[in-house]
Amino acid sequence: DGGITQSPKYLFRKEGQNVTLSCEQNLNHDAMYWYRQDPGQGLRLIYYSQIVNDFQKGDIAEGYSVSREKKESFPLTVTSAQKNPTAFYLCASSMGWGPYEQYFGPGTRLTVT
Amino acid sequence: AQRVTQPEKLLSVFKGAPVELKCNYSYSGSPELFWYVQYSRQRLQLLLRHISRESIKGFTADLNKGETSFHLKKPFAQEEDSAMYYCALPFDSINQFYFGTGTSLTVIP
Repeated sequence: DGGITQSPKYLFRKEGQNVTLSCEQNLNHDAMYWYRQDPGQGLRLIYYSQIVNDFQKGDIAEGYSVSREKKESFPLTVTSAQKNPTAFYLCASSMGWGPYEQYFGPGTRLTVT
Repeated sequence: AQRVTQPEKLLSVFKGAPVELKCNYSYSGSPELFWYVQYSRQRLQLLLRHISRESIKGFTADLNKGETSFHLKKPFAQEEDSAMYYCALPFDSINQFYFGTGTSLTVIP
């Protein structure tokens, strides 16, 4: 079921700690995205990257950071500044920049206590 | 501003009955709309997109610009259609998708 992978599936952290979620794709896609999925709120965009070494804030970027040093990798760091970090995080990629289909990873459920 | 609205959080229909999942959007141009589906324990995946005008798994969706709607329909629901459905709208010229809040469909045997 390759394509786009996220690890780990479940992650537990103590409040005040930064945590990095992994996202890797072997689809040779230029664009990558991070979403947060909360019950009753759908998917909300955190960050997106059109191309290597470039990324932009989405609607809810506060408390998060990303990097895009390689085409296939787009890690997301949830910092201690994020007020409500417990959520389900989805990574996605698409062929390019435009209304292309987005391919999603299996997600990482982060619990911060 | 809410760009994509899915008014029903939960929808239950009996097997064999018609099903319609509603999606309304706010957008000034000609939108390119998508429906994504998430089956239990599976990843979110594309179900269909407006531009392709395909019927996938018996589902169709017609863009109604007058009503700004893109409702998803299927004439005869099957149990395997039970899933979470999201309507999505790419925002302007950038590939920032706005997703609706989703509708959880349950098909009752």
